[in-house]
Amino acid sequence: GNSVTQMEGPVTLSEEAFLTINCTYTATGYPSLFWYVQYPGEGLQLLLKATKADDKGSNKGFEATYRKETTSFHLEKGSVQVSDSAVYFCALNSNYQLIWGAGTKLIIKP
Amino acid sequence: DTAVSQTPKYLVTQMGNDKSIKCEQNLGHDTMYWYKQDSKKFLKIMFSYNNKELIINETVPNRFSPKSPDKAHLNLHINSLELGDSAVYFCASSPGGQGWNYGYTFGSGTRLTVV
Repeated sequence: GNSVTQMEGPVTLSEEAFLTINCTYTATGYPSLFWYVQYPGEGLQLLLKATKADDKGSNKGFEATYRKETTSFHLEKGSVQVSDSAVYFCALNSNYQLIWGAGTKLIIKP
Repeated sequence: DTAVSQTPKYLVTQMGNDKSIKCEQNLGHDTMYWYKQDSKKFLKIMFSYNNKELIINETVPNRFSPKSPDKAHLNLHINSLELGDSAVYFCASSPGGQGWNYGYTFGSGTRLTVV
């Protein structure tokens, strides 16, 4: 069946460091791919998405490219801030629902 | 102007009680969902309704019953609450049909604590 695998957290970085959170997927067909972010005490918010191979989603300095050949959708940011501390979820759509990764907690230290 | 609103935000109750969580969306979306998030942040879908019709009914205890009076509302009723029901419950909505590639809009969650 379809599935999403994310790197385990927590990921701890210093402010202004480069961020990569890995996400790989298994799916039949060509699903859309998503990154959601959950700040402490809040619901999930859509961060970015890509709907076809080689698409790049971007928002708030974050980017992710839909790589069909490696079945990946890694999240990157060039310079993280303390305010980026949150849990990040990778997801794909399948049969009218989203299939979720386990989430990766990101901690940014000043 | 809240898009997906859930009430209450916090709910503390004793084992064996019956409780309800309400969810409303003003986005005009056709599809609504209930998710359970455990202490490790793992998300588990529970139910989904499309235009008031149940389309996803995952393996959850039958003590949990969703009710959708119209496509803007999806409530969750829980009977005979147990300690293991303690979690954060999220409501979400999506356009449905061809629009569900736009992703979901989530409520801010209901933290349920059973004591």
